[in-house]
Amino acid sequence: EPEVTQTPSHQVTQMGQEVILRCVPISNHLYFYWYRQILGQKVEFLVSFYNNEISEKSEIFDDQFSVERPDGSNFTLKIRSTKLEDSAMYFCASSDAGKGAADTQYFGPGTRLTVL
Amino acid sequence: DAKTTQPPSMDCAEGRAANLPCNHSTISGNEYVYWYRQIHSQGPQYIIHGLKNNETNEMASLIITEDRKSSTLILPHATLRDTAVYYCIVRPNNDMRFGAGTRLTVKP
Repeated sequence: EPEVTQTPSHQVTQMGQEVILRCVPISNHLYFYWYRQILGQKVEFLVSFYNNEISEKSEIFDDQFSVERPDGSNFTLKIRSTKLEDSAMYFCASSDAGKGAADTQYFGPGTRLTVL
Repeated sequence: DAKTTQPPSMDCAEGRAANLPCNHSTISGNEYVYWYRQIHSQGPQYIIHGLKNNETNEMASLIITEDRKSSTLILPHATLRDTAVYYCIVRPNNDMRFGAGTRLTVKP
């Protein structure tokens, strides 16, 4: 069964450093998403991406964050200058049909980001 | 934010049906009800979704009341591996807003 994959599973970085989290969505999917979950808290929506541009973003997704689909298979989340409060699990998701609310999103296993 | 209300926790005996309620009294006509679950810190796992009609798949059944103001997720024969946090999400559009969910503990 196709699945979303994410690398690395765990990333440790120093405050102020840039990190890139990578995701390979399900191959025929066209819509891509990033979510994060701070330890013990809710899963929070960050951004959705379609046709090489951001379609929606939350208030969390500020200028420190960017997303990119550098090739036909990868979808990345870059945090430009990490802060301690960026420590969280980051989940990538993808969906195929873009039917809005009728479109099921499938999540990857997540990347645990630890900022020291 | 998610416009749903779920009990914070529930227990269920192994082999019995687990019935997880969700209130969504402000749901509008074009909003779908989705259920996901999260085991430990793994990625949320899709379970089922519906708009108006009851739905069933290999994992669960979803019962939506006629006025659509509440729904129930049914795991027909819960196993220990079904222990997880279950999220009921009402979606008007692409992004999903997770609440705190229900922590279901299946006990031997």
